[in-house]
Amino acid sequence: SAVISQKPSRDICQRGTSLTIQCQVDSQVTMMFWYRQQPGQSLTLIATANQGSEATYESGFVIDKFPISRPNLTFSTLTVSNMSPEDSSIYLCSVRRGQGAYEQYFGPGTRLTVT
Amino acid sequence: AQSVTQPDIHITVSEGASLELRCNYSYGATPYLFWYVQSPGQGLQLLLKYFSGDTLVQGIKGFEAEFKRSQSSFNLRKPSVHWSDAAEYFCAVGGSSNTGKLIFGQGTTLQVKP
Repeated sequence: SAVISQKPSRDICQRGTSLTIQCQVDSQVTMMFWYRQQPGQSLTLIATANQGSEATYESGFVIDKFPISRPNLTFSTLTVSNMSPEDSSIYLCSVRRGQGAYEQYFGPGTRLTVT
Repeated sequence: AQSVTQPDIHITVSEGASLELRCNYSYGATPYLFWYVQSPGQGLQLLLKYFSGDTLVQGIKGFEAEFKRSQSSFNLRKPSVHWSDAAEYFCAVGGSSNTGKLIFGQGTTLQVKP
């Protein structure tokens, strides 16, 4: 498995502001992902964080709204920009170790409330 | 289209009773299947996974799941439920592609009666 930490664990933010969420893994991994879980809903993949290059976004998610960085093989950030109440969700990062390891391990999540 | 369906949104069982959570998937290639559990306020924990081989897989916490290709199903079972099993359960499907994308079902909330 992998030990994954996220900061902050929760936050309450005002609309129009931005929040950066950090994801740290205890060892190098090949793939890192960011998911959104809206209240009472399942998980939706936002993007794959690529080390050293631009993230790969899923349909419905754009870089201007959710810029992602991945400077190395153990760390990534997701920024939620120009927030609105509709962005209130749990944001989770996950990792996949490498070739032949198809399972993903999840961080504890960041609970974001936008007022 | 690729999708995962968990037909039961909410299930209530008595402590000590058996449990089966249903999962049906639609996936164009060889599916890799997973069950995750999410306790209130927590992230997702991997219960078990199926990639190939024996269609009955064992996981943590006494859970098992059976892959039935003909029925496109991957149902989760536990012979005797404990109060601590109350949580949200998610079935997910992925493949061997380099995208690594997982598609999740809507989840099943398990309530355990004393």
